[in-house]
Amino acid sequence: DTAVSQTPKYLVTQMGNDKSIKCEQNLGHDTMYWYKQDSKKFLKIMFSYNNKELIINETVPNRFSPKSPDKAHLNLHINSLELGDSAVYFCASSQTLGQGRNTEAFFGQGTRLTVV
Amino acid sequence: SQQGEEDPQALSIQEGENATMNCSYKTSINNLQWYRQNSGRGLVHLILIRSNEREKHSGRLRVTLDTSKKSSSLLITASRAADTASYFCATHNQAGTALIFGKGTTLSVSS
Repeated sequence: DTAVSQTPKYLVTQMGNDKSIKCEQNLGHDTMYWYKQDSKKFLKIMFSYNNKELIINETVPNRFSPKSPDKAHLNLHINSLELGDSAVYFCASSQTLGQGRNTEAFFGQGTRLTVV
Repeated sequence: SQQGEEDPQALSIQEGENATMNCSYKTSINNLQWYRQNSGRGLVHLILIRSNEREKHSGRLRVTLDTSKKSSSLLITASRAADTASYFCATHNQAGTALIFGKGTTLSVSS
């Protein structure tokens, strides 16, 4: 069974459209993340959720809205897509151990978003 | 903000050779982690070294950590073509709420 699964794997859409990427983890972790990887492979944290609560929002445009209906899911909705949003988006999860410590992160396979 | 920086950016070696990648970070850490990313895939955790450890082994992987220099290295011994991938170091941000990744080293192993 896939530990962290995200769909779709590929997404091609026109500028101005709204799209969503779904993510689910079956590891029982309490923390989930969204990362954006650009064409130079640089991974940038976008959001972090702990027990469905937003912990980090790293200077991401408000066109990006994460939603966590429960601990196992963290979806990403993007409004008014722009060319610069083209990237690979990764969902990940980890378990919080307390005292600011987390286990290693498990990543989904990524969603390659292409805005044309 | 970016926490780790890997070096070199790219490394090409022959099968059987050793590959060494370095990582520098900026702030104090509880642990440092290394991840591998194969082309078109997600990141996979390789090894975690705690701040009170100096060296750790896992199969053909050897990681060292020097907290005084804020640096770590990943050594892959007897490399194989299947080791071709990008390798990233990662540390937690100050609040411990997210992993911050370096820019990665792209390793190419030719047979």
